Formats: sequence, structure tokens, C-alpha cells
Amino acid sequence: TQLLEQSPQFLSIQEGENLTVYCNSSSVFSSLQWYRQEPGEGPVLLVTVVTGGEVKKLKRLTFQFGDARKDSSLHITAAQPGDTGLYLCAGARTKQGGKLIFGQGTELSVKP
Amino acid sequence: KAGVTQTPRYLIKTRGQQVTLSCSPISGHRSVSWYQQTPGQGLQFLFEYFSETQRNKGNFPGRFSGRQFSNSRSEMNVSTLELGDSALYLCASSLGGDTYNEQFFGPGTRLTVL
Repeated sequence: TQLLEQSPQFLSIQEGENLTVYCNSSSVFSSLQWYRQEPGEGPVLLVTVVTGGEVKKLKRLTFQFGDARKDSSLHITAAQPGDTGLYLCAGARTKQGGKLIFGQGTELSVKP
Repeated sequence: KAGVTQTPRYLIKTRGQQVTLSCSPISGHRSVSWYQQTPGQGLQFLFEYFSETQRNKGNFPGRFSGRQFSNSRSEMNVSTLELGDSALYLCASSLGGDTYNEQFFGPGTRLTVL
């Protein structure tokens, strides 16, 4: 059972376009983290959202945590080729320490 | 501050053998978690060690085991390797609090089982 459904799985766009990646669950998470992973490397933490309804911005990236803390989205404005990579959402639950539940990932390709 | 380091980066083994992977967390981090990443299953949680004790465990068979030393370094062992164990094994470290966890990942060990 995939507790975190991430969509779309694949996204190929042109430089300058906008995109949104969704991460949905029927379960509540105490926090949700977004990572970016490049081939042959480990995931790199982009942001952590903790409060329901929270919005965080990282340059052209906007992250939102749903009011009920069951879903999240990542919006990229004016995508660039350097944004290419695998984007992963991961949820954490209270009292479960270091256990993260990952979505399947979104493979983003931005063509110049 | 140095990041999470994993050794070796690449490993080739044959079925039936065993393997030990090593992870050194970020200085000051007391929690180390291990994950298996495959194209079909994505990232799956193996287990977490905190203060030398296993704190959480995923749904993997007993062939997968781990331990943590007093300096927070951790090792993961897989015995009787199977072809399906071929994967990228990632470790992540965090401060260890159980409110929310910012996990920082190492580069991974690519294990190939022939």
C-alpha cells in the first residue's frame, strides 16, 4: 500500500513553463519534506513543512502543506534545465522517529 | 560541517554472500536511518537507530540487520544475498527528536547482486 501518492510520475516540459507536483495521502502527517535527487546521488532536502496551510518559498519553488496535513504540493515557476531531477515527497508521523514514508517520486525533465 | 558519508559507494556481490555497508552521520546527529531505493518500489524504510538502539523497523526480512556504535556511526548487514537485493542503499541522519525529522541523506551505496 502506497501511503503517499505522488503525481505526476513523469513530467517533460520546456524551459520557462510552470509546473505543479502533488503529494496526497489519506493519512495525517506531522510534517512533510520535499527532496530532490540527481542520478547516482542521495536525496537533498529542499524544505520541511509542519503546520497545516503552511506555504514556503525557495526562489522559484513554492511548497504548500494542506490544511488537514494530508497533502502537499510543489509549484515551480519558470522552470529551468537545472531543475531537472527526481522530486520526492516524504511524510513523517509523531513518535515514529526517523521513519519517513516516501512518495514514488516525480521525474522532471526541463528542456532548453 | 561534513555531510553524511557512506562506504563503499559501489559493491558487486553474488547470490548467497553477505555484505556490510557503513554510514557516518553528520556530527552531532544521533539518529541514523536506512532506506532501500529501487526503480519499482521507490524509497523504502529499513530501520532506524538512535543511541545505539533500534527505534523503528520497516517491513524487511530478518536478513537485513543493522547496528549503531557509540559514536553514532552505523552499519547495515544483508546476509544470504538475493538478486532482488540489488538497489541503492541510502542512509540518513537527523538530530533524533521525534517531533519532526529533517533527514539528511548520504550519497548511497549501489549494491549489485549477480
